[in-house]
Amino acid sequence: DTGVSQDPRHKITKRGQNVTFRCDPISEHNRLYWYRQTLGQGPEFLTYFQNEAQLEKSRLLSDRFSAERPKGSFSTLEIQRTEQGDSAMYLCASSTGTQRSEAFFGQGTRLTVV
Amino acid sequence: AQSVTQLDSQVPVFEEAPVELRCNYSSSVSVYLFWYVQYPNQGLQLLLKYLSGSTLVKGINGFEAEFNKSQTSFHLRKPSVHISDTAEYFCAVTPAAAGNKLTFGGGTRVLVKP
Repeated sequence: DTGVSQDPRHKITKRGQNVTFRCDPISEHNRLYWYRQTLGQGPEFLTYFQNEAQLEKSRLLSDRFSAERPKGSFSTLEIQRTEQGDSAMYLCASSTGTQRSEAFFGQGTRLTVV
Repeated sequence: AQSVTQLDSQVPVFEEAPVELRCNYSSSVSVYLFWYVQYPNQGLQLLLKYLSGSTLVKGINGFEAEFNKSQTSFHLRKPSVHISDTAEYFCAVTPAAAGNKLTFGGGTRVLVKP
């Protein structure tokens, strides 16, 4: 297993464009998490899935942000009408879902909005 | 809600010297505690975790941490650092019932000097 995979690693986009990021979790992991990390800060929890069900999305930063995990495997995070303040590292993590399981993080997608 | 404070934003240290990174948290419920390391442009790697039991936790790469419930602290230590320990270190907590919905501190940047 190669771990949690995120694509792309880097994305530069113009303000106002939509962007979509993909996360492929470790294959037997049924929980998947999205975090955002701005420069010089710790990661901030955004949302998570148990299989295909999105169990919490109240922390998504605005209604421009949405996430899906349609078949309970990979997930996508979409940002519509990007703003310069969306520039950040977007991290994905996965775990087995048992209460004491460890979360494994991907290498992240770095978004730059110009 | 939980919060995490890492008291030092940067810690310079000479190679082979000991290092301690301080972490304090607040929570109204029982929590699990974690330390993660992040190398430049990389995701997060788990160093160690406290779930229950012995308050002294040993992790990878010679790191250890001690959970102190009365002081709500979870300080990270290493008796002798290497150049390769230069990285950013994050303390994180999650409610024991909430899986990996982690709340992170702001991070401590460790710079190991030869």
